[in-house]
Amino acid sequence: KQEVTQIPAALSVPEGENLVLNCSFTDSAIYNLQWFRQDPGKGLTSLLLIQSSQREQTSGRLNASLDKSSGRSTLYIAASQPGDSATYLCAVPGNQFYFGTGTSLTVIP
Amino acid sequence: KAGVTQTPRYLIKTRGQQVTLSCSPISGHRSVSWYQQTPGQGLQFLFEYFSETQRNKGNFPGRFSGRQFSNSRSEMNVSTLELGDSALYLCASSLGAMGPYNEQFFGPGTRLTVL
Repeated sequence: KQEVTQIPAALSVPEGENLVLNCSFTDSAIYNLQWFRQDPGKGLTSLLLIQSSQREQTSGRLNASLDKSSGRSTLYIAASQPGDSATYLCAVPGNQFYFGTGTSLTVIP
Repeated sequence: KAGVTQTPRYLIKTRGQQVTLSCSPISGHRSVSWYQQTPGQGLQFLFEYFSETQRNKGNFPGRFSGRQFSNSRSEMNVSTLELGDSALYLCASSLGAMGPYNEQFFGPGTRLTVL
């Protein structure tokens, strides 16, 4: 069974800082990995889908990388803003979507 | 293209009642998955429907059931509600059936409170 973990569980940074969120998975036989953002009490917004053949995927200030061999993905957020404050989840699809526990990010103005 | 819609957005029920939640996937998507999210347990997979058939089911009691219609809209039903069923219920749609190439898109959720 795929297990997904995310560290740190919570992160607080000053505005403007660059930051990295980590996602680890136990079964490296994956094809896709998806990063989501969740605001309190809301649904999940898809940020990036990275395929195993891509190694990196970029959208605006976000950059996701994937290293299957080490079972890790990172989400890099450049020049953080208070509006980036949310919980970030990674997920790996299989016979269901396996979610990490999330990283709660607070960007302090 | 309209996103995933869920109705109602908020529900308040009492113990012992039953509830039905609805999810309309993105046009053209044939797979609908349901998740329960609570502060203590995180996101937990309930079940997936594809072409009106339940393909996968998570570890939930039989009080949780669902169905999918020919237009891919899905409903989830919870009978004999318990206090512990209070949660955010999320629906996700995808183009094809769940698998390693899957990409999911989520609705805004239904917040269920059981009193």
